[in-house]
Amino acid sequence: QSVLTQPPSVSGAPGQRVTISCTGSSSNIGAGYDVHWYQQLPGTDPKLLISGNSNRPSGVPDRFSGSKAGTSASLAITGLQAEDEADYYCQSFDSSLSGWVFGGGTKLTVL
Amino acid sequence: QVQLQESGPGLVKPSETLSLTCSVSGGPISSYFWSWIRQPPGKGLEWIGYIYNSGSTHYNPSLKSRVTISVDTSKNRLSLKLSSVTAADTAVYYCARAFGSGSSLDYWGQGTLVTVSS
Repeated sequence: QSVLTQPPSVSGAPGQRVTISCTGSSSNIGAGYDVHWYQQLPGTDPKLLISGNSNRPSGVPDRFSGSKAGTSASLAITGLQAEDEADYYCQSFDSSLSGWVFGGGTKLTVL
Repeated sequence: QVQLQESGPGLVKPSETLSLTCSVSGGPISSYFWSWIRQPPGKGLEWIGYIYNSGSTHYNPSLKSRVTISVDTSKNRLSLKLSSVTAADTAVYYCARAFGSGSSLDYWGQGTLVTVSS
């Protein structure tokens, strides 16, 4: 059971918008620690998608955006494309563990 | 361009020690947080631990008694040792880099699959 909670799966048609939630607690997201998002395409290593709640690294399309409020964070993907089909993970720091915690991952299916 | 490359045995026997190395190129190994993360087949990511300041470490409490992470700055290499392994330790093991404890993991290795089996 992951410290950060994500829905196991989400889906959407090409061109649509989907959101993926990441719910934590007062020892991680709620304590003010940043949330980061990763995209893992099948058979590959995770790739940084959103850093520091809402910042896109160079090369990440602006179709991807992140936000954070309270003990939760969200990843939004607009204009869905077939190539977006992947697993998405949120990550933060947890003060009770003095270490990093991940969400369980969300599988995005593009219909 | 920073590159990370994991290496080590792909098969380890139960009760033995898993040993992996991560070679870092394209940048210094000092001044960053270096982490090991694993992913069991078909499952999510699990943080194992990290090392910073060339020697300070923090480990996942669930693995702390069995894990040792070290760094060799002269060789720009990171190491992981996980003792008394069981089948539950079968996973793809990744090394990754962060600027600090609250930072994102900006560079990842391609990962190496370690299977625990007799």
